[in-house]
Amino acid sequence: SQKIEQNSEALNIQEGKTATLTCNYTNYSPAYLQWYRQDPGRGPVFLLLIRENEKEKRKERLKVTFDTTLKQSLFHITASQPADSATYLCALLASGGSYIPTFGRGTSLIVHP
Amino acid sequence: DAGVTQSPTHLIKTRGQQVTLRCSPKSGHDTVSWYQQALGQGPQFIFQYYEEEERQRGNFPDRFSGHQFPNYSSELNVNALLLGDSALYLCASSLAELQGIYEQYFGPGTRLTVT
Repeated sequence: SQKIEQNSEALNIQEGKTATLTCNYTNYSPAYLQWYRQDPGRGPVFLLLIRENEKEKRKERLKVTFDTTLKQSLFHITASQPADSATYLCALLASGGSYIPTFGRGTSLIVHP
Repeated sequence: DAGVTQSPTHLIKTRGQQVTLRCSPKSGHDTVSWYQQALGQGPQFIFQYYEEEERQRGNFPDRFSGHQFPNYSSELNVNALLLGDSALYLCASSLAELQGIYEQYFGPGTRLTVT
């Protein structure tokens, strides 16, 4: 069955360091992969989209990589700040026209000052 | 420009009751999707509405139904509530022509507690 795995344990890092979050998937052929940020009690906020034929995408301090051979996406936040503390969700969109995102459970990031 | 709005913010219901949640999409958006998010889990797709019709549906029972109005706003109805229906219900809007690929805008959600 299709499976999307994100670390269930929170990632704790010091301010200024680079945070790296992982999204692994099995039995899935996504055409697109999205990353969202979610704060407690709020709806997810879209951050980045990467296509299956793209290796890397950047936006300000954010970088996403997409390796369809390894079936993995990495999400990096450079020069992290306490305000980056949140849960980060990856979502896969399959080809075939529906493009309904399937979400992972998310990984909590805590940036310590 | 108002984003996606949802009402109510919180709701407490008893098992067996029925509930209606409401959503107004971001200005200019014509497609509304509903998601259920249990604590510690990612959002799960319930269904999507476009042109007042249910366009796609996830793996949810018929107790979950919806509606979209001519002004693109939408309702989610859940009948015969179960304890397991307790969750954050999220509404997301997008533009049909973009197929939601580039981004969906989520509302703040409605926290439903079933006792």
